[in-house]
Amino acid sequence: ETGVTQSPTHLIKTRGQQVTLRCSSQSGHNTVSWYQQALGQGPQFIFQYYREEENGRGNFPPRFSGLQFPNYSSELNVNALELDDSALYLCASSFDRNYEQYFGPGTRLTVT
Amino acid sequence: GIQVEQSPPDLILQEGANSTLRCNFSDSVNNLQWFHQNPWGQLINLFYIPSGTKQNGRLSATTVATERYSLLYISSSQTTDSGVYFCAVAYGNNRLAFGKGNQVVVIP
Repeated sequence: ETGVTQSPTHLIKTRGQQVTLRCSSQSGHNTVSWYQQALGQGPQFIFQYYREEENGRGNFPPRFSGLQFPNYSSELNVNALELDDSALYLCASSFDRNYEQYFGPGTRLTVT
Repeated sequence: GIQVEQSPPDLILQEGANSTLRCNFSDSVNNLQWFHQNPWGQLINLFYIPSGTKQNGRLSATTVATERYSLLYISSSQTTDSGVYFCAVAYGNNRLAFGKGNQVVVIP
């Protein structure tokens, strides 16, 4: 059984650019959640996708957007990057909405 | 939103010692998870424990949902137990709210 995978592992972008991060959920899982973890902090919930629909959103601006595809993989898009967007971005999948969440290895984004 | 507080923030242990990490949360939750974050950032699932007690090897966890806290016990600590431990509670549409973590260092 393949776990949650994320790509790329590292990324360096310039302020004002746009970025797309990708996540493949664990086999059999239909729910994907995205989190942002700043250095020295716990992860913060960005949003969740369930069966291709957004199913809740945290306190992040609209320039953070996402998609979930029919195979339940997901993308996180961030427009107009700011320096404070530098963080580890974590994706988690679960069997359904109220089940245990399993995390991928993360994408480390640096904005210069 | 829900508040999650973990204590102690930092802990230094001699190899072989036992320790207890605590997680307090401010409201009713759907479930609770404990994670260990490795140096590369990967969150490793330790326990999924909305209530009661579970054990896995040298680790065990207890959640008392009515009193809004959970405990993670590490017995006979080893250097490989070093790292950051996170408590995360699920509420609403199963979004996880994390504490700031417990930084554990086990010295040989």
